[in-house]
Amino acid sequence: DIQMTQSPSSLSASVGDRVTITCQASQDINNYLNWYQQKRGKAPKLLIYDASNLETGVPSRFSGSGSGTDFTFTIRSLQPEDIATYYCQQYDNLPLTFGGGTKVEIK
Amino acid sequence: QVQLVESGGGVVQPGKSLRLSCAASGFTFSSYALHWVRQAPGKGLEWVAVISYDGSDKYYADSVKGRFTISRDNSKNTLYLQMNSLRLEDTAVYYCARGITIIVVAGTDYWGQGTLVTVSS
Repeated sequence: DIQMTQSPSSLSASVGDRVTITCQASQDINNYLNWYQQKRGKAPKLLIYDASNLETGVPSRFSGSGSGTDFTFTIRSLQPEDIATYYCQQYDNLPLTFGGGTKVEIK
Repeated sequence: QVQLVESGGGVVQPGKSLRLSCAASGFTFSSYALHWVRQAPGKGLEWVAVISYDGSDKYYADSVKGRFTISRDNSKNTLYLQMNSLRLEDTAVYYCARGITIIVVAGTDYWGQGTLVTVSS
C-alpha cells in the first residue's frame, strides 16, 4: 500500500496569511493526487485534482503543486470560511490512501 | 447537479449485519465507478471498497475483505454495501463517492453526506 504522510497535523494562521500543507507519498504516484477540504460535520469536497488542477468553482486562492512523491497545497490568503481539515489522497493504485489530515484554524 | 444520498446506518451489535444504500442522481450512473469511504469518529478517511461502472470488478480494503460486499443496481441508480460480521472498529460515518472516471483506479469527486454506523453491544 502507498503511504501518504501529511504535515503539519494542525496549524493556526491569521486571516490573509499564506498557508502551506505538504504531502509525501511512499513511492512515485505519477501526480495522481487529490486535495480535499472537509468542514466540520460535512463530507469532503474536492479542491485540487491531478496534483495541480483546480476543480471547477473552487476559489483561485487554493492551489496545488509537486510531482513524484512530494506535493504541496497552498491557500494564498486564508479566509475565515477556509477553517476545515484538509486531506490529500493518492489514486495511483488501490487501495486509495489518504494523508492523516491537516486541521486549519484561525489565530 | 450530482447528488449522492446514503441511508441504512444505525446501531448494530458486534457480529451482526447491515446494508447501506447510496441513491444517486444528476449524472449517468452507469458510466462511473463508485466507492465507499469511511471515517471513524474524530479520525481520518479510510477507503473501503470500489466497484466498476458495470459491477464486474470489485476491490476491497484488507480490513473489510471477506466481510463486506459492494454491489450496484444500474437500473435503480443505487450503490450498496453489505456489511457482515461487524466489529467495534467498523464504527464510522460511511460515505459513498463517485469515481472521477469509468475506471476503478481513479480519484473521487462528489461525495454523499454520509451515514453513521455504530457497532456496540
